[in-house]
Order: sequence, then structure tokens, then C-alpha cells
Amino acid sequence: GNSVTQMQGQVTLSEEEFLFINCTYSTTGYPTLFWYVQYPGEGPQLLLKVTTANNKGSSRGFEATYDKGTTSFHLQKASVQESDSAVYYCVLGPDTNAYKVIFGKGTHLHVLP
Amino acid sequence: GALVYQYPRRTICKSGTSMRMECQAVGFQATSVAWYRQSPQKTFELIALSTVNSAIKYEQNFTQEKFPISHPNLSFSSMTVLNAYLEDRGLYLCGARDRDSGNTLYFGEGSRLIVV
Repeated sequence: GNSVTQMQGQVTLSEEEFLFINCTYSTTGYPTLFWYVQYPGEGPQLLLKVTTANNKGSSRGFEATYDKGTTSFHLQKASVQESDSAVYYCVLGPDTNAYKVIFGKGTHLHVLP
Repeated sequence: GALVYQYPRRTICKSGTSMRMECQAVGFQATSVAWYRQSPQKTFELIALSTVNSAIKYEQNFTQEKFPISHPNLSFSSMTVLNAYLEDRGLYLCGARDRDSGNTLYFGEGSRLIVV
């Protein structure tokens, strides 16, 4: 069945460091891929999405490329800020084979000032 | 922009009583609404997917008898947690799908259930 794997449970960086959050997925279809961000006390917010394989999505300095070859959708940011501290979820959208949206386990980013 | 409001934000209820939570989509038409429970470990469990004019699909371990859902129109959905016990604690999130933006889910800020 469809699945999403995020490897890191927690990432701690200093401001201006490079962020890389690993995400791989498994599906037989062609779903949309998302990254959501959840700040403390709030619901998840859409950060970016990519609907087509081999395309890149970007928002607020974050980028992710939908790579069908490696079935990956890693999240990157060149220079993090303390305000980026949050939990980030890689999400597999539904497609013709499945109706569910599948969340990764989340990666807690902690950026030190 | 697309906004989703959930209320109440937080409820403390006695064990064995029930809690109803509501989800309001503003600025878009929510053709389907997914109800999730987020555990203290931050993982998401899908409870059910509700699509207007279709049967509600409940996930394994969740039933209509325990989590009845109403989705009467394209802007509103409600879910009740009946006979709540300690294992029902958590943050309940409503994710509404915008008909005009494909499969993007817009989430409310959640309704936190505390059972004492």
C-alpha cells in the first residue's frame, strides 16, 4: 500500500545552517506530494506541494523536488531561522488508487538562535 | 484565502461523557472533510473521510457508533466523540479539501479533548 517515511524524528540546527529533511514514499500511482508545517498550538499548514513528477515546489525559502526515480521528496532550506522551529510533515496525497492522505511521522526542527 | 475554523479549541470532559466538535470552512467549498486524531507523539490517525452526498468512510479501529460525523453542506462538518475515555484523548483535526485546488487539505487548529 501507499506509505511515507521520514527518517529523522528531531533535527537541531543553528540559525543560517542548511536544512535537509529526508522523505521517501511508496505508491503505485501519481499522487500530489506535500510538505506541511505545524507550529506549537496550531494545526498543520500547507508549506508547499508538487503535483507533477520531476517538478520542484518552493515556499518561504523551502524547496522540495518530486523525484519519481528515487521516490523521494526531501525538504531543503539553505539558511534556517529560529522562526522555522516547528514540526514538518511529508504527506502523500490521494490518487486514483487510494483516497487517503498519508502523513509521515513528522520531523521536529529546533533552530537555536 | 482558505481558512478552516474548529471549535471548541479545548474541552475537558468526564470519563464516559461525550464531546461534539465542529469544523467550518471559510473561503472555499469543502467537498470532503477528513477527521484526524493527533497523538502526543505527533503522529496522525485518520478517523474517517466524509464527502458530501456520499457515505462516510471510517478507518479500521474507528466506528460510526463511537465517532458519528455529520457533513450537511460544503462548509460545515461536525464529529462527536461518544462515551469518551482516556484512550480518546488527543488533538482532533479537521482537514477540509478544496474542490478548486485539487487534493490540498486545509486544517483547522484542532479541538483538544482532555478526559478526566
